[in-house]
Amino acid sequence: GESVGLHLPTLSVQEGDNSIINCAYSNSASDYFIWYKQESGKGPQFIIDIRSNMDKRQGQRVTVLLNKTVKHLSLQIAATQPGDSAVYFCAEMRETSGSRLTFGEGTQLTVNP
Amino acid sequence: SQTIHQWPATLVQPVGSPLSLECTVEGTSNPNLYWYRQAAGRGLQLLFYSVGIGQISSEVPQNLSASRPQDRQYILSSKKLLLSDSGFYLCAWSPAGVAQGVYNSPLHFGNGTRLTVT
Repeated sequence: GESVGLHLPTLSVQEGDNSIINCAYSNSASDYFIWYKQESGKGPQFIIDIRSNMDKRQGQRVTVLLNKTVKHLSLQIAATQPGDSAVYFCAEMRETSGSRLTFGEGTQLTVNP
Repeated sequence: SQTIHQWPATLVQPVGSPLSLECTVEGTSNPNLYWYRQAAGRGLQLLFYSVGIGQISSEVPQNLSASRPQDRQYILSSKKLLLSDSGFYLCAWSPAGVAQGVYNSPLHFGNGTRLTVT
């Protein structure tokens, strides 16, 4: 069936290190991918997105990489800070799904001082 | 700028009681509106989405219903809550046109309602 899933449920890094959070998706028709950050008790916050006609996109301290060949998406956070501790979700959308996002299960990122 | 408001932040209701959660969006017209539910430590499940006033699409059969009485007002309801309705409910919006193929805009979420059915 269709799914968007994450490789690791938890990730622990030292402050200042780079973090890489991975996501696999199963539907090759997926067109649009989004990374969200969710802090405890809050709604998901948009971080960065990427269309399927791109393989890399950079934001402030974050980079999203898309490998359509293996249907893999990753979020790289440079110089991870304690404030980056949160659950990170990938989500995908495709034309045939209209306005619906499909979310992965999430990765808990913990930044150790 | 656009803002989304969702209330209440927390709610404890007995089994069999009714439910009404409300969400409003400001700063945009004719947004697409969504209700998601999130189980503890899990991803988000789409419950309903709406592309206009009075238009509601249901994603999963359940004990809940949604309504959109005004362009920027979205309500999640139940006549009789079940224990399994407990969870974190999130309202979200996206710019108009996403459903029509302009699917390159993210959804923006409210801060959610933590519902506990006892």
